[in-house]
Amino acid sequence: NAGVMQNPRHLVRRRGQEARLRCSPMKGHSHVYWYRQLPEEGLKFMVYLQKENIIDESGMPKERFSAEFPKEGPSILRIQQVVRGDSAAYFCASSPQGTSGGSSYEQYFGPGTRLTVT
Amino acid sequence: GQQVMQIPQYQHVQEGEDFTTYCNSSTTLSNIQWYKQRPGGHPVFLIQLVKSGEVKKQKRLTFQFGEAKKNSSLHITATQTTDVGTYFCAGRGQAGTALIFGKGTTLSVSS
Repeated sequence: NAGVMQNPRHLVRRRGQEARLRCSPMKGHSHVYWYRQLPEEGLKFMVYLQKENIIDESGMPKERFSAEFPKEGPSILRIQQVVRGDSAAYFCASSPQGTSGGSSYEQYFGPGTRLTVT
Repeated sequence: GQQVMQIPQYQHVQEGEDFTTYCNSSTTLSNIQWYKQRPGGHPVFLIQLVKSGEVKKQKRLTFQFGEAKKNSSLHITATQTTDVGTYFCAGRGQAGTALIFGKGTTLSVSS
């Protein structure tokens, strides 16, 4: 059973270009989460999606960032007009469901995409 | 908004010594999860605590959830070099859907 897959693993973009990060959740998982991690920082929640729906985007910057999880295909995190401050590791995680009562399902993380903006 | 704080940020121990990391939330949590991230790797789920005062053990690791469900700790007994990595706690608020991660405690172990 393949784990969470992310591609590309490394992405270099010049300032002003667009970055597209892809995430294929584990088989049978319909919940996807995106996080950003800066060096020596924790994981900062960005967005939580279920198939075709955005459940929680409270961590997403208001401009330039968008995410989708279509009915078919991987989840995409899109960053338009990248700036140097966007350089970070972006992790995707998936779970079979979101929450159940007071309990949350464990999240399975992908290997991450390291974005470098030059 | 909800904040989750972890201390210490770094901890270096000699192999065989014990290690503890502490996690504190600004709000009452619905549950708390712990993850481990090896250098250059991705976070891996360790455990989830849901009940007030809950204690769970995994071999040399002991996890606690405070009575008020606002704090948690991870204790490792007799550390080994394989314990090296960053340990994150992640809490979900009572009304939230997102997991809020602490900044982590990075453990280094010398033999």
